[in-house]
This record gives sequence, C-alpha cells and structure tokens, in this order.
Amino acid sequence: DTAVSQTPKYLVTQMGNDKSIKCEQNLGHDTMYWYKQDSKKFLKIMFSYNNKELIINETVPNRFSPKSPDKAHLNLHINSLELGDSAVYFCASSHDARRTNEQFFGPGTRLTVL
Amino acid sequence: SQQGEEDPQALSIQEGENATMNCSYKTSINNLQWYRQNSGRGLVHLILIRSNEREKHSGRLRVTLDTSKKSSSLLITASRAADTASYFCATHGSSNTGKLIFGQGTTLQVKP
Repeated sequence: DTAVSQTPKYLVTQMGNDKSIKCEQNLGHDTMYWYKQDSKKFLKIMFSYNNKELIINETVPNRFSPKSPDKAHLNLHINSLELGDSAVYFCASSHDARRTNEQFFGPGTRLTVL
Repeated sequence: SQQGEEDPQALSIQEGENATMNCSYKTSINNLQWYRQNSGRGLVHLILIRSNEREKHSGRLRVTLDTSKKSSSLLITASRAADTASYFCATHGSSNTGKLIFGQGTTLQVKP
C-alpha cells in the first residue's frame, strides 16, 4: 500500500497554463506539506496544513494555491505557470505538526514548464 | 535563508568503507533529522536526534549532535552499493508547525 501518493508523476506544460498536482496519504496523519526541490536538490517548504487548516505559508507567489478538501488530501494548484516553476514537487505528511516527528514523503512530481 | 549546510557535497567510497557526512545549522533547534533520497524518488526518514541527545544509533547508522557547535554528523558503517543516494539533514525549530529546514545534501556514491 502506498503511504503518500502523488499524481501525476511527470507534468510537462507550456508557460501560462494552469495545472494541479494531487496528493493523498493513507497514514491517518493530521498534517500535510508541499515542498519544492530545485535542480540543485535544494528542498524548501512551501505550505503545510494541519487538519485542513493552513499553518505554514512560506514566501510563495500567490499563483500557487493549496487546497485541502479533507485531512487525507492536499492538492496544489498553480496558475500562469512560469519557466522558474520547473522543479520536483514533493508532498509529505506527519502525525501532528505540534509533535516533532518524522515526515513521510511522496514520490514527487517532476514539473517541466516549456 | 538556508538553515543547514552539508559537507562534503559529494562523497565517493568503496563498498565496506565508512561514510561520514556533516551538517551545520544556524538557529536553535528542537530536533535534527536525517533523510535519504534515492535518485528520482522521495525522501525517506532515517533517524531523529533531539536537542538534548548527543548520539543515536540505528543499525549501521550513527548520528551525533553538538548543539554548542550547531553541527551534526551521520556515519554509515560498512557501506553497501545500495547506500548510494543523497543524504539530507533537516532541522526542526521551536515552532509547532512541523516545519523542517533542509540542508543541500551530500551525494554519496558507494562503488561495488
């Protein structure tokens, strides 16, 4: 059984398009995260939701909008895609943001903007 | 700004040798975690060490933490070709948001 899953795995699109990445976790965790990993493998937190409530919103362009319909899902919608958005996006989850525990990562979505 | 910096950026060793990776950070932490990332895959949690701990073991992994120097090291003993991956340290601060700040990672190659 896949703990944290993301779709799609690869996404190739043109500049200016709008796209979404979906994430689901079946671990029963309360907290979910979105990270961006650039070409140099630098991994940076973008957003976090705890029980459907936004708790981390880093300095991310407002073209990026997360949506959490329930605590098992955290989707990422990106408007007006730009070349600089090309990266690998990882979803992760953990038991509870208030506890200092490990995070479980999805396999990543490689976004290429042409 | 980036919290963790890892050293070396790349490491190549022979199977059976030990591999040591270092991580330095800038602000106070609640805990420090190490993750492994195989090529084209997501990150996998390896070990967590709390700020009041100095050393922790898990199988062939040994992690140390020196809060006075704001540094940590990850030692992999008797390395195997399957250990080839990128290794990241991540610090958890005092917030209750679960926010982790990652270093840039060390790419380890273990030659058979």
